[in-house]
Amino acid sequence: DTGVSQDPRHKITKRGQNVTFRCDPISEHNRLYWYRQTLGQGPEFLTYFQNEAQLEKSRLLSDRFSAERPKGSFSTLEIQRTEQGDSAMYLCASSLGSGGRTDTQYFGPGTRLTVL
Amino acid sequence: DQQVKQNSPSLSVQEGRISILNCDYTNSMFDYFLWYKKYPAEGPTFLISISSIKDKNEDGRFTVFLNKSAKHLSLHIVPSQPGDSAVYFCAASGRGGGSNYKLTFGKGTLLTVNP
Repeated sequence: DTGVSQDPRHKITKRGQNVTFRCDPISEHNRLYWYRQTLGQGPEFLTYFQNEAQLEKSRLLSDRFSAERPKGSFSTLEIQRTEQGDSAMYLCASSLGSGGRTDTQYFGPGTRLTVL
Repeated sequence: DQQVKQNSPSLSVQEGRISILNCDYTNSMFDYFLWYKKYPAEGPTFLISISSIKDKNEDGRFTVFLNKSAKHLSLHIVPSQPGDSAVYFCAASGRGGGSNYKLTFGKGTLLTVNP
């Protein structure tokens, strides 16, 4: 399977704990994105990387959230001191980043986070 | 302020008929539009896209129409099949979104195709 992969698929944690999610993009895709989706809503943008550089962060990304893409390949999203409001599906996407405007994003299966 | 709106939360059609899903946007800086299909507990799957320089794009049973003056796009599925039953999201990107590349999504429309 050469699509975007995410690990774990499901995570249940207690409030106050830290969690980390991993995303492996499609190989040779330069751009990587993180989105969050809650029930009844469409995905909402969190942040994106061009290679290893984090180029934009949404105001949704509080200081408890941090994302990295250390070698321009896989990425991690960490949430510190989780709160019940963090419960959501966390989606990762990647795109070729060819420089054109029509740069299609392909999504992974998501990580479902439940904070008790 | 929702910049991409899908005003129909759900749509039900008979197998073999046409499904038409609608999407409106408010930001005139959006210039690339995409439709994604999503099954429960899975990530969105890319279906079809259209650039603002076009008014129609077709791929098999799926056609997307863009009306820039009305800030409206629609996805036509012909003929509809039971396997098309899913949530469909409209998404847009453009300079007006604060980033050239981030996607702004609508809330989705649940399509049910009845056998």
